[in-house]
Order: sequence, then structure tokens, then C-alpha cells
Amino acid sequence: DSGVTQTPKHLITATGQRVTLRCSPRSGDLSVYWYQQSLDQGLQFLIHYYNGEERAKGNILERFSAQQFPDLHSELNLSSLELGDSALYFCASSVGWGPGNTIYFGEGSWLTVV
Amino acid sequence: DQQVKQNSPSLSVQEGRISILNCDYTNSMFDYFLWYKKYPAEGPTFLISISSIKDKNEDGRFTVFLNKSAKHLSLHIVPSQPGDSAVYFCAAGRGSNYKLTFGKGTLLTVNP
Repeated sequence: DSGVTQTPKHLITATGQRVTLRCSPRSGDLSVYWYQQSLDQGLQFLIHYYNGEERAKGNILERFSAQQFPDLHSELNLSSLELGDSALYFCASSVGWGPGNTIYFGEGSWLTVV
Repeated sequence: DQQVKQNSPSLSVQEGRISILNCDYTNSMFDYFLWYKKYPAEGPTFLISISSIKDKNEDGRFTVFLNKSAKHLSLHIVPSQPGDSAVYFCAAGRGSNYKLTFGKGTLLTVNP
């Protein structure tokens, strides 16, 4: 158990819908990351928050947005869902950011868009 | 364009022997590299990392080698154990920016 909690674990929804994935980082971790893993892709970096502020963005679609709240939990919002958005979404956390800060991953949220 | 490549989708090794997992990268700006292990239905778990100022880092049975001129790194597991059977991801980053770029992973199977 990494200490990173993600909900829901599984989600099936229809195209055009909107979903919210939630993440609670490890106790004491200020950094939260979101990654997407599609069937034929490795882990793709989406976004990084540190202590409530966005620090880095990857190839995150405009239909996707995220935020980190004052209690440090984070939410990833996915809207106007398409079939291609079906993937495993990982949240991860670390104490700080940069080399030397081990990133701990949650178990992921499986999203299936039908 | 895949900046981090793991060209072997799978590898099978006998228990007790050495497992060598390989990773190539194209971006010469990467200056630190990591290996993660992933079991089914779990998130990736950090294994070992190496900075570009080193060419080797060891942690127990795990050793990572970095060849900057060849833009190649490898993970050696000695001796391999059945519990090492998992998907191994290579990842790379640059500077203080923690946008890790991952390879697609190699499935290691260690046979008893």
C-alpha cells in the first residue's frame, strides 16, 4: 500500500459525459501528479500540482482539468468524454518535487467510456 | 515521438539467474532516470534511480547502469526471484522539472 488513495477504482460512462477522479496523497506529501496509461501507451504525464499550485503540464487535453485543494487532495475532471479517453488514470504523490523525491503511485482509476 | 523506449515487451528468465532489462532514450537533456515495477492491479512502485553524473547505482539485488554516450540504461536483477515477475518501466526526467517520461514497459517473468 503506497498510501496514495484513488477513487473510484472503476468507472464506466458514456461518450459525452463528464467524470471526476479523486486522489488523496500520502500524508505529508505536497506534490500530486496525474498520469494516464492507455492500452498501447506507457504512462503519460498529465499534470503536477505542488501545495495547491500547478507546477507542470504535460499533454493534457483541454477537455481535462485538475486542481489541488487546500487539504492537498486532488481531482481530475474529464469532460466531453470520448472512446479514446478509456484508460487507467494514476495519481501519484511526493513530498516535494524534483530528483530525490520518490514518487508514490496509487492503484489507479479504470475509466471505460462506452 | 517516443523519447524513452523499452524495445523488449517481455523477458523470461530462470530463477537465480540474472535479469537484464534495457531502456534507450533520445533526449540528451534527460539527467535522471528511474525504474519502476508494477504488479497487476497495483500502481507502479519505485525501484531505483540514477543521476546522469553517475554510471552505476546499486541497491541490493538491483543495479542500474547508465551509458550516456549510447543514451542507454539497463537494470540488472541478480539473482532473479519469482516475486520479481512484474512489468518494469523505465522513466526519465530533466532538471528540477518532474515531468517523468515513461517507456511502455517490459514484462519480466521469472520461472521457478
